[in-house]
Order: sequence, then structure tokens, then C-alpha cells
Amino acid sequence: QSVLTQPPSASGTPGQRVTISCSGSSSNIGTNYVYWYQQLPGTAPKLLIYSNNRRPSGIPDRFSGSKSGTSASLAISGLRSEDEADYYCAAWDGSLSASWVFGGGTKLTVL
Amino acid sequence: QITLKESGPTLVKPTQTLTLTCTFSGFSLSTSGVAVGWIRQPPGKALEWLALIYWDDDKRYSPSLKSRLTITKDTSKNQVVLTMTNMDPVDTATYFCAHKGSDAFDIWGQGTMVIVSS
Repeated sequence: QSVLTQPPSASGTPGQRVTISCSGSSSNIGTNYVYWYQQLPGTAPKLLIYSNNRRPSGIPDRFSGSKSGTSASLAISGLRSEDEADYYCAAWDGSLSASWVFGGGTKLTVL
Repeated sequence: QITLKESGPTLVKPTQTLTLTCTFSGFSLSTSGVAVGWIRQPPGKALEWLALIYWDDDKRYSPSLKSRLTITKDTSKNQVVLTMTNMDPVDTATYFCAHKGSDAFDIWGQGTMVIVSS
């Protein structure tokens, strides 16, 4: 069971806006940055969002991140078929068992 | 351009020790703030962080696997090596190495599949 909790699945139609949630605790999301990764089938994860809401160079502004308290969200607007992938949230957990933690992943289906 | 590539055995037997090498280019692991980490992903499952080594040789390990992991670096060869002892079939996974700058694991290798079976 993952430290960060994500819904296992999400879906939307082309052009729609979808959001994926990530729930944690005070020792991870509550006090540290949240990161989001996109993983296309058979490929390595790709960084989408860092420091809660910043996009690396080359990531379209259709992708946005936010954080409130011990939860975070990834929003994808103007959904495209190529957005169909697995999405993972991540954060540093500063508890006694200090470690990087990931969510269980959300499979996004574009209908 | 930063690139990383993992290498190692595809098949290991239970109880054996796994040794994986991450060979990178485009950055130096002697630059302040830089780190390289290992993350694995069992088939059809989520990502799991394993270990991290910083430019100053500071090392961090997953608490649940700490007793089995060792991470080292060879700055002159641009390599990071991860060893995992006492391999078990549940350790079957794709193992990724990734560059970590001041913030995120921003660039990942393609991953290498490791199967643990007798």
C-alpha cells in the first residue's frame, strides 16, 4: 500500500478537463513539495510538475498542479488521446522513516 | 543533454545478490546539489524509491529495504552502482535510475527489467 493515495483510475473525453488527486500527510505533502510524473506504456516516468505547480521546459500549460494542506491535485485541460497514461504523485517524507514516497498511480483513459 | 542508462543481469536466482550499474552523461556527480537515485516498478504496480546518493557521498535508503541495499558512485566513470542482497521473486521489477537536481527526479533512464527466479 502506497504512502500517498491516488484514485486507481480516471477518465475523460477529448477536450475535457480532468483532475487527479493525491492525498498524503503532514510529514510528506503537508510540509514538502509535490511532484507529478506521467508514464506512457512501456516507458520511463516523465516529470510533469515539480515544486507543487511548476512545469519543466517543454511541458504544455494544459498540465497544472496545486496543493492544499495534505492533498495535491494534477489537472489536465483540453484532454488529448496522447494523455492516456499512468500518473504518479511523489513527495519527500520527512518522518522518522525519511524517504521518497510515491502514490499508487492513476490510470487515465481518454474515452 | 542528460542521459542515464541502467545495466545489469536480466535474471537472478533467489538469495543471490543483484548488482546494477547506472551510467550517465551530461552532468557530473561532483557538482554541488546533484544526486542519482534508484526507483523500481514491479510489473503492473507502482513506483517504489530505493536509494539516493548525493554529490558529497551522502546516501539515503528506503527504510524497508535499507538492510539489503548499498549505493556507491564512481565519479571518474560517471557511474552509480546499486547492490541488493538476498533477492526474492517479489523483487522482480523494472529498475530505473534517475538524475536529481536541486528538486525532483527530473531525468530517468529507460529502466532495466530484473526477474528473480530459480
